[in-house]
Amino acid sequence: DQQVKQNSPSLSVQEGRISILNCDYTNSMFDYFLWYKKYPAEGPTFLISISSIKDKNEDGRFTVFLNKSAKHLSLHIVPSQPGDSAVYFCAASDSGGSNYKLTFGKGTLLTVNP
Amino acid sequence: EAGVAQSPRYKIIEKRQSVAFWCNPISGHATLYWYQQILGQGPKLLIQFQNNGVVDDSQLPKDRFSAERLKGVDSTLKIQPAKLEDSAVYLCASSLNEGQEYGYTFGSGTRLTVV
Repeated sequence: DQQVKQNSPSLSVQEGRISILNCDYTNSMFDYFLWYKKYPAEGPTFLISISSIKDKNEDGRFTVFLNKSAKHLSLHIVPSQPGDSAVYFCAASDSGGSNYKLTFGKGTLLTVNP
Repeated sequence: EAGVAQSPRYKIIEKRQSVAFWCNPISGHATLYWYQQILGQGPKLLIQFQNNGVVDDSQLPKDRFSAERLKGVDSTLKIQPAKLEDSAVYLCASSLNEGQEYGYTFGSGTRLTVV
């Protein structure tokens, strides 16, 4: 049973445009959400996170939006750059478990074309 | 700050053989995780250590997988005997456990191919 779903395996955008990556979750106990970026042959690197008490968190070109009622979050990258081309994983945790265990989605491959 | 170190980077073994992976977390990070990432999937937690104690190993196939973290620093993950479906990237990660805002720091992983 997939508790974190990224339904788009891939996304292709033009340089300078907005990239929107989506993520849905089913476990209502999840209250912390993170996005990781992964280049080939490297481990995932932390990108941005959001707590369930917020609906938006921004860091430079990256913004994460959370819609708790819809159990949906999205990552916006504006403007997109070729170096953003990577696999993006959505992850979620239940802080009540106090062990920060992350449940990951399958990932979305973003390709930013020059 | 040095990152999470893992070795080897790649390993090819035949089924039914055994294999071991090593991880050295970031200095001072009390929590260490081993994740398995099968091609096309997201990482899946195998085992979590807090210092040298196991916090969560509910998804570790204990009939063939074992892990230890001696002295609360380095960790090894072993598979014995390996099966074809164990082919995956094995990721080690560590965290300070001071909050979730910054997530974990992952190593580059060990890519295991079982033939």
